[in-house]
Parts: sequence; C-alpha cells; structure tokens
Amino acid sequence: EVQLLESGGGLVQPGGSLRLSCAASGFTFSIYAMSWVRQAPGKGLEWVSIISGSGGSAYYADSVKGRFTISRDNSKNTLYLQMNSLRAEDTAVYYCAKVRSVDTAMDFQHWGQGTLVTVSS
Amino acid sequence: QSALTQPRSVSGSPGQSVTISCTGTTSDVGGYNYVSWYQQHPGKAPKLMIYEVSKRPSGVPDRFSGSKSGNTASLTISGLQADDEADYYCCSYAGSPWVFGGGTTLTVL
Repeated sequence: EVQLLESGGGLVQPGGSLRLSCAASGFTFSIYAMSWVRQAPGKGLEWVSIISGSGGSAYYADSVKGRFTISRDNSKNTLYLQMNSLRAEDTAVYYCAKVRSVDTAMDFQHWGQGTLVTVSS
Repeated sequence: QSALTQPRSVSGSPGQSVTISCTGTTSDVGGYNYVSWYQQHPGKAPKLMIYEVSKRPSGVPDRFSGSKSGNTASLTISGLQADDEADYYCCSYAGSPWVFGGGTTLTVL
C-alpha cells in the first residue's frame, strides 16, 4: 500500500524559511516523479513543483520559482520542499503527491494527508 | 499559469446526472490530452477520478466519465449518490507547469 506522510509544517514569520518532508513507502520511490501541491485555507488546489525520479529535473510554478527548492533522497525514500522568503500568501496545506505512471508523469494518484504551513507575524 | 475555469457549484438529485466543465486554453486543456479530475471531501486529500481526459483508475466507478472538446474538458457523474457530494478539481498539463481549475462544489440534493 502506498503511503505518503508529510511533516515539517508550522508557523513561520514572513521572510522566514521552512523545510517540508514527505516520507514514502509501499512503492519503488526512486522511479516515480513526485510533486508538491498546496491548498490555501478555503481555496482550491495549486500545483507547486515536481521532481523526476532521479532528481535530475525539477519544475516550479511561477509563484514559487526562485524561493522554493524541491529535492529528494532516494536512499531515504523522502521528498523535500525547502521554502525560503515565505510570504503570507504561501499559507496553505501542502500535499505531496506521487504520479500515477512512471512513463507519463502527468497526473497524481496518491496523496499524503497534508501539512499546514502558516506564514504570519 | 492562469487557473482553469470551472463553475463554482453544481447540484443534482440522487440518481440524476451532472456535468462539470473545465475551460482552459490551447496552452493547456486544448493542447494536451493530459486532463485529470480529482474529488476532494472536506478535510481529506484529493482522489484521482479521471486521467488522460477519459480514463478511470482502478476502483473508480464507471459512473464517472470524462471527455474533452477543444479547450473545454468535462466530468460527468451519472447515477448520483450521496457520497458524490464533494469538491471536484480539473487539472491539465501545461508544458512543465500543471494548472488546476478553481474547483466545483457538487451538492446532492
């Protein structure tokens, strides 16, 4: 059974930093692209970032480009999101998500339960 | 990276059918056959219901179907059940970024 468990959320001041983690189990982590998707309170889903299975390729939404860095440690089956220069509008539940297919990483079949990040002074 | 356009809400009675639209552009919905749909119940993580416009993952009832015409994708739910009441989001690949719709709340009357 695929399991994704996010951690690292919390309250941070504007301009601060936070690192989210997502511990994965139940599948061969290193061959699947992984993504972060966020949801502001009472709002819709927003794609944030994606990283290839090897970690060699990564892409970002314009809203976080230059501030967030996605990475992975395949030896630890863990996905990360380093968030710097945080803004109030980054306040959201952050979900990690596993793509459905190794071949076409175009949709997200498995999701964690999410971790809440609150950016406020 | 503008969000895809979905109706804010739709409703239907048990047993009826409803369709949720998702309108984008030639840069996303119209340009790729990589539209997916997600169901989200309150306080829960999203669940993949449709991928690649019209395909269903294992375990998703065939009451859920997807289609696309031009820049607009659609999710149809037939034989509405109480448990279908949830938020639904479309998502499209847009050439490295992915873009979600704003979400549609389905109410089962």
